[in-house]
Amino acid sequence: EVQLVESGGGLVQPGRSLRLSCAASGFIFDDYVIYWVRQAPGKGLEWVSSISWNSVGIAYADSVKGRFTISRDNAKNSLYLQMNSLRVEDTAFYYCAKGIVPTIAPQNWIDSWGQGTLVTVSS
Amino acid sequence: QSVLTQPPSVSGAPGQRVTISCTGSSSNIGAGYDVHWYQQLPGTAPKLLIYGNNNRPSGVPDRFSGSNSGTSASLAITGLRAEDEADYYCQSYDSSLSAVVFGGGTKLTVL
Repeated sequence: EVQLVESGGGLVQPGRSLRLSCAASGFIFDDYVIYWVRQAPGKGLEWVSSISWNSVGIAYADSVKGRFTISRDNAKNSLYLQMNSLRVEDTAFYYCAKGIVPTIAPQNWIDSWGQGTLVTVSS
Repeated sequence: QSVLTQPPSVSGAPGQRVTISCTGSSSNIGAGYDVHWYQQLPGTAPKLLIYGNNNRPSGVPDRFSGSNSGTSASLAITGLRAEDEADYYCQSYDSSLSAVVFGGGTKLTVL
């Protein structure tokens, strides 16, 4: 069974940093592209970032480009999101999600989601 | 403002059929990029419902179906049941943004 468990969320002040982690199990981690998708409380889903199986392919939403960095450690079956210069509008549940192929491709979809970790940016 | 536009809410009585639209443009659905649908039950993570426009993952009832035409896609749910009450999101890819894009979501209420 595919399992994705996010951690690292919490309350942080605007301008500060936070690092999210996602522990994966139940599948061959380095066979798949992995995503971060966020959802502000009571709002819709927003794609944040994608990373290919070998970390060569990386993409970011414009809203986080230059502030967030996605990375993965295939030896540890783990995904990370380093979030710098956090803003109030970054407040959201952050989901780790698994794609269906190894590389970033337009026709990809997400077939498994974690339960999310809440990041609250507030002074 | 989402790149893909969905109605904020739809409703139907048990046993009825409802459809949820997802309207895009020539840089996403209209460009031929597939549409996928997710169901999010209250307080839970999203779950894949339809992939590749009209394919159901194992375990998803055939009451759920997807279609698309031109710059729009639709999710149809027949034989509505109380447990279908959830938020539904469409997803595609936008070549102008070079981004994965989601619709704003539609809340389905079973009356």
